[in-house]
Amino acid sequence: GQQVMQIPQYQHVQEGEDFTTYCNSSTTLSNIQWYKQRPGGHPVFLIQLVKSGEVKKQKRLTFQFGEAKKNSSLHITATQTTDVGTYFCAGPPGNQFYFGTGTSLTVIP
Amino acid sequence: DTGVSQDPRHKITKRGQNVTFRCDPISEHNRLYWYRQTLGQGPEFLTYFQNEAQLEKSRLLSDRFSAERPKGSFSTLEIQRTEQGDSAMYLCASSAVTVYNEQFFGPGTRLTVL
Repeated sequence: GQQVMQIPQYQHVQEGEDFTTYCNSSTTLSNIQWYKQRPGGHPVFLIQLVKSGEVKKQKRLTFQFGEAKKNSSLHITATQTTDVGTYFCAGPPGNQFYFGTGTSLTVIP
Repeated sequence: DTGVSQDPRHKITKRGQNVTFRCDPISEHNRLYWYRQTLGQGPEFLTYFQNEAQLEKSRLLSDRFSAERPKGSFSTLEIQRTEQGDSAMYLCASSAVTVYNEQFFGPGTRLTVL
């Protein structure tokens, strides 16, 4: 069945360091979305990527969709304590929507 | 508040009891999703509605689970004969048919089965 894996599962960084999470799908995705979930909160939409090889930036966040549309990455430059949370990729092969396993980011002040 | 709302926020029940959760999506959204999330895991897709039509159901959704969206607005998720393994956060999300198909999540209903 469809699987969406993310690595690493956990990441601790010092404030100001960079952070990257990688997302890999077992099947081709029509598009990929990224969500952030703060501790005790619900997922909040960050961005959607649709095109093969697409790169989008939001301030310190850079999102990339792989050429084969089976993998994606999220890179945060110069992390801040407000970046704490779990980052999920998610994709719809059809009407079902599969979330990745998530990467939990801890930022040490 | 114009966001997605869910009721109740917390539910404690005994094994074998039936429970029903309600989700009120953002009013103009015609797509509605239900997910289940356990600690340390990503949301697991359960089912998807477009208007009142249930277009997709996960194999995870056993015959004890049923969802409805009778008028294409609010939705209910019922779990019959609850089991301890059903303990989780049940999340509802809604989206409009747009380029981004951004899902807006509700606060969730936390179910504890004793």
